Amino acid sequence: DTAVSQTPKYLVTQMGNDKSIKCEQNLGHDTMYWYKQDSKKFLKIMFSYNNKELIINETVPNRFSPKSPDKAHLNLHINSLELGDSAVYFCASSLLGDRGRYEQYFGPGTRLTVT
Amino acid sequence: GENVEQHPSTLSVQEGDSAVIKCTYSDSASNYFPWYKQELGKGPQLIIDIRSNVGEKKDQRIAVTLNKTAKHFSLHITETQPEDSAVYFCAASKRNSGYSTLTFGKGTMLLVSP
Repeated sequence: DTAVSQTPKYLVTQMGNDKSIKCEQNLGHDTMYWYKQDSKKFLKIMFSYNNKELIINETVPNRFSPKSPDKAHLNLHINSLELGDSAVYFCASSLLGDRGRYEQYFGPGTRLTVT
Repeated sequence: GENVEQHPSTLSVQEGDSAVIKCTYSDSASNYFPWYKQELGKGPQLIIDIRSNVGEKKDQRIAVTLNKTAKHFSLHITETQPEDSAVYFCAASKRNSGYSTLTFGKGTMLLVSP
């Protein structure tokens, strides 16, 4: 009965590789997010999708490309990985819509280590 | 854009004491203020939130207060227990063209000693 799930939980890869992180939510939400948490624990929004459409795109390098095949899934693909991409990436979801609520629920995170 | 400041960065208390974490925000249009608890190796968990039309909200041992005029809000935990030890984040949000964004504070590491 996991609400927001991410795979994989840990990802270790070398510089220059391309990798993907998957996220799924079973809460019936229509909006999903990707956050990056750096080594100092700071959480920062990267992207947000509402009903499969991109609505928030912060100043993230275009090596990062989110893809939302449907409302319940938001994947993050990263090309040409760099050392500075090492962080924990969190997926979150919320319900906007006409009677939207503000609460965002987070997944367990994916720890990405680039060597 | 919105800026959220959070203090202190670390807070150590004895079991049974109270703990208070304070946040300030810059955008007067912000109208939703959640608090998240993050345990080691886990994702942030929403523990309580408050909207701008309310001054205080309680849920068992935790409470949040909001002062819109001063643009600050606080988390109060009473009768702390060792399992309250975690990193706590405040955040501020506002609705904008149908969607909302959360801006987080930098977190407070709460350590509760038995």
